[in-house]
Amino acid sequence: QSVLTQPPSVSGAPGQRVTISCTGSSSNIGTGSDVHWYQHLPGTAPRLVIYGDTNRPSGIPDRFSGSKSRTSASLAIAGLQAEDEADYYCQSYDTSLSAWVFGEGTKLTVL
Amino acid sequence: QVQLVESGGALVKPGGSLRLSCAASGFAFSDYYMTWIRQAPGKGLQWVSYISNTGNTIYYGDSVKGRFTISRDNAKNTLYLQMNSLRAEDTAIYYCAREGWVGEEGEGAFDKWGQGTMVTVSS
Repeated sequence: QSVLTQPPSVSGAPGQRVTISCTGSSSNIGTGSDVHWYQHLPGTAPRLVIYGDTNRPSGIPDRFSGSKSRTSASLAIAGLQAEDEADYYCQSYDTSLSAWVFGEGTKLTVL
Repeated sequence: QVQLVESGGALVKPGGSLRLSCAASGFAFSDYYMTWIRQAPGKGLQWVSYISNTGNTIYYGDSVKGRFTISRDNAKNTLYLQMNSLRAEDTAIYYCAREGWVGEEGEGAFDKWGQGTMVTVSS
């Protein structure tokens, strides 16, 4: 069981907006550790979509946005497109475990 | 163009050993911290090990501590993971990833990943 909790799945119709939550604790997100988000299609290399809580790497559409508050973070995807269908993982650093930690992952389905 | 290419994955018996490699190109490998991350079948991502750019600082996840050894050869632009005393629960796709440099895009995150190499531990 991961120290970062994500919903197993979310879904939305094309054009809609969805959010994926990532709930941590006072030993990871709550310490101020950065939260990063990755998009992963099975059989491919995971791709960074948000780093440092809110920043988008070049090449990532501005439909993707990140936020953080106290011990949780969220990834929002607006204007859903079929190509967004993938697994999404949040990641941070846990000071109690002295380890980089990932959420369990959320499967996004575009209806 | 940044490229990370893992190799060395195979089918190995419990208790056996394996060495994974990750060949890096398209960036100054010796400047970057590197990590190994794995994904077991049907599971999420799990951090395995981390090494600083010089190799002087190394960390391991609890599940592999004492069995796995991370290393790097900056002259060959290659990252390694020596895996000993393998167990069935080590079965996974193993990815190498780069940590983004301070002040650059992707800072502090695993900003570039390889495609992964499959390790299967089974008798």
